[in-house]
Amino acid sequence: GAVVSQHPSWVICKSGTSVKIECRSLDFQATTMFWYRQFPKQSLMLMATSNEGSKATYEQGVEKDKFLINHASLTLSTLTVTSAHPEDSSFYICSASRLGETQYFGPGTRLLVL
Amino acid sequence: GESVGLHLPTLSVQEGDNSIINCAYSNSASDYFIWYKQESGKGPQFIIDIRSNMDKRQGQRVTVLLNKTVKHLSLQIAATQPGDSAVYFCAVSDGRFNDYKLSFGAGTTVTVRA
Repeated sequence: GAVVSQHPSWVICKSGTSVKIECRSLDFQATTMFWYRQFPKQSLMLMATSNEGSKATYEQGVEKDKFLINHASLTLSTLTVTSAHPEDSSFYICSASRLGETQYFGPGTRLLVL
Repeated sequence: GESVGLHLPTLSVQEGDNSIINCAYSNSASDYFIWYKQESGKGPQFIIDIRSNMDKRQGQRVTVLLNKTVKHLSLQIAATQPGDSAVYFCAVSDGRFNDYKLSFGAGTTVTVRA
């Protein structure tokens, strides 16, 4: 149980384009999904917290207009990187949880912006 | 906010020996603690968790110890195997006081020697 998927697993795009990453909880209903970013050999950095049916809460320093998050259902959240630039290249990981319970992580999406 | 630190960034262990990874946290109100394992290129994988009303919890080959007096958390891996080579993160939650967000430590890279 507690399986979280992400799609795509990796993506290469040109600078200026937008990229959408999907996060799905496959075997449970997630009241909350979290989006993280991870640079090589570093820890996870929380970008935003997303509750189903409401607007995402962004961490300080994360541009909400650049990283659009939608949590339309209890099993799906999406992160859209708008007008991507090379500095947005990173490993993006989502997690899903029922409120107050363990966060289970997806396999991550590696984004490379050329 | 919560500050989470690890005592050692790397740990080299002989196959078959026991491993101990340590973690310190700063907020005495923290009430939920999780250990994750992250293999290269993958998302973090849940290993074991413990709540603040316990001081020890055992899983398969793993034990988590919590010392709330000194705000210290440890993960013990028995009979370490090559498949245990990975980066291990401790994560701490302040529960509903911080929207169930997790604060991650920097990670300890465990290398198992054959």
